[in-house]
Amino acid sequence: GNSVTQMEGPVTLSEEAFLTINCTYTATGYPSLFWYVQYPGEGLQLLLKATKADDKGSNKGFEATYRKETTSFHLEKGSVQVSDSAVYFCALSDPQAGTALIFGKGTTLSVSS
Amino acid sequence: EAGVTQSPTHLIKTRGQQATLRCSPISGHTSVYWYQQALGLGLQFLLWYDEGEERNRGNFPPRFSGRQFPNYSSELNVNALELEDSALYLCASSPGRQNTEAFFGQGTRLTVV
Repeated sequence: GNSVTQMEGPVTLSEEAFLTINCTYTATGYPSLFWYVQYPGEGLQLLLKATKADDKGSNKGFEATYRKETTSFHLEKGSVQVSDSAVYFCALSDPQAGTALIFGKGTTLSVSS
Repeated sequence: EAGVTQSPTHLIKTRGQQATLRCSPISGHTSVYWYQQALGLGLQFLLWYDEGEERNRGNFPPRFSGRQFPNYSSELNVNALELEDSALYLCASSPGRQNTEAFFGQGTRLTVV
């Protein structure tokens, strides 16, 4: 079956540090991959996506590349800000296989000034 | 354009009672997804409706059920409530079955006492 595994958190960084949150997936078909972000007290927002192998999704300085050979979709940002403090969820969907969005457990990021 | 709206925002029920949660998707979206976000458990997929039909179901007991109406709004019903059902229930919508860029509502916080 399909599944998503994220690195355990929390991740604590100082402002302007480099961020990597690891995400690997298991899928039987050709899924699309997503990163969602949940700021404190808010719902989930789509951060970026990639729909096929070698695609790079990017938004707000965050990037992730769809790596089929390593079944990974790691989230990176070169210089984090305090406002990036949130919970980040990696997700996959495979509608051809009848699979809705499946999420990882989420990684809490705390950025201090 | 209005986003995904959920009602009520908060709901308090007694163990054994029934809860009904409602979701209105973004105009033009035909797919609706329900997720449970319990503390420490991440986002668990509950149900996926598209064009009025149930497309997929997560690993939840039958007392979790729902439906989608002709206007694509949706209801989630939870019967015989248990304390462990206390969670944030999130609804999301997407334009169609093959497009799973989902947009989330703010959620309904269900508390079972």
